Amino acid sequence: GQQLNQSPQSMFIQEGEDVSMNCTSSSIFNTWLWYKQDPGEGPVLLIALYKAGELTSNGRLTAQFGITRKDSFLNISASIPSDVGIYFCAGQSGGTSYGKLTFGQGTILTVHP
Amino acid sequence: DAGVIQSPRHEVTEMGQEVTLRCKPISGHNSLFWYRQTMMRGLELLIYFNNNVPIDDSGMPEDRFSAKMPNASFSTLKIQPSEPRDSAVYFCASSLYRSGRGYGYTFGSGTRLTVV
Repeated sequence: GQQLNQSPQSMFIQEGEDVSMNCTSSSIFNTWLWYKQDPGEGPVLLIALYKAGELTSNGRLTAQFGITRKDSFLNISASIPSDVGIYFCAGQSGGTSYGKLTFGQGTILTVHP
Repeated sequence: DAGVIQSPRHEVTEMGQEVTLRCKPISGHNSLFWYRQTMMRGLELLIYFNNNVPIDDSGMPEDRFSAKMPNASFSTLKIQPSEPRDSAVYFCASSLYRSGRGYGYTFGSGTRLTVV
């Protein structure tokens, strides 16, 4: 079945540093999404990407849909303590998936003040 | 919109008891997904529905698990009998699926289940 490899598994950074994480897939997706999960809550959608090569920003967050449609990355600039959490990539393939997403394993981000 | 609403937020039950988790999706969304999250296994898809019809339940771990969606605004996940290894956070998510494309999930806040 489809699998997403997300890296790194965890990151420990200082406040103000930039962060980069990525996902690769063994198969093609037609939508890539990035979610953040705060402790005790469900994942929240950060950015959605719908076209190969698309580069989208949301404040300090920037994400790109890889040209091969098998990868995506997320950058966070000038990190702040509230960026702490688990970041998940997710991909959606076409066909009769009814919007089902395949999730990466998550990147645990810790930001030291 | 109030988002996806799950209840209860926390459930502690004794082994062997029946547990029912509830979910109200976002109005207008036509796909609904049940996930289980643990440290060891991450996010696991249990079952999903489209237009209230179960599409794929291959992720349901055992016959002890069952899910229903009697109408567009309500779904339940039932575990009977419950076991300690069922302890996890259970998430419900809904999305709009239209013209062969999904538009990302909205997750509920989850139900933290502890079976003792």
